[in-house]
Amino acid sequence: AQSVTQLGSHVSVSEGALVLLRCNYSSSVPPYLFWYVQYPNQGLQLLLKYTTGATLVKGINGFEAEFKKSETSFHLTKPSAHMSDAAEYFCAVRPNRDDKIIFGKGTRLHILP
Amino acid sequence: GAGVSQTPSNKVTEKGKYVELRCDPISGHTALYWYRQSLGQGPEFLIYFQGTGAADDSGLPNDRFFAVRPEGSVSTLKIQRTERGDSAVYLCASSQGTAGEQYFGPGTRLTVT
Repeated sequence: AQSVTQLGSHVSVSEGALVLLRCNYSSSVPPYLFWYVQYPNQGLQLLLKYTTGATLVKGINGFEAEFKKSETSFHLTKPSAHMSDAAEYFCAVRPNRDDKIIFGKGTRLHILP
Repeated sequence: GAGVSQTPSNKVTEKGKYVELRCDPISGHTALYWYRQSLGQGPEFLIYFQGTGAADDSGLPNDRFFAVRPEGSVSTLKIQRTERGDSAVYLCASSQGTAGEQYFGPGTRLTVT
């Protein structure tokens, strides 16, 4: 069965520092991969997705993620954190032949002034 | 245009009662998904519809949970004989076809006392 593991339920970075949120998935075939962001009292918003093609994917708000098949990873990065980036981030996978999305448990990102 | 809407935004009910949660998808979206997000967890798939029919209901935890989408638009998630363990945020998402991007609503927070 497909699964997603997010390392670190809480991550704190200083404003202006690099953001790195880790995600590993288990899959026998390359799946669709997603990062979603959830701000307090708001719905999930898609940050970026990987389907096929270029393994470095750019998303909204300056975030990007790289699909590494050999490491079964899809880590999320942003060069310089902003206070507005404080939120919960979910990595997710959707198998090619299935339509439901399987989410990780989430990582809450804290930005320190 | 309008996004996915869910009503009510909050619902408090007593153990053993029946509840209905409503989802209005984005107009024209044929696929509709229900997820449940418990405290500290990522969203967990419950059921999805393609048109009026349930294409995959493998995530429904037991037969107390049921969902309908009679006209292929609005969907209602129904929970009978609620239990305290049903307390969670119930998320709805819709997409243009099952391969399209899923757009999430803000959720309904259900509290069973």
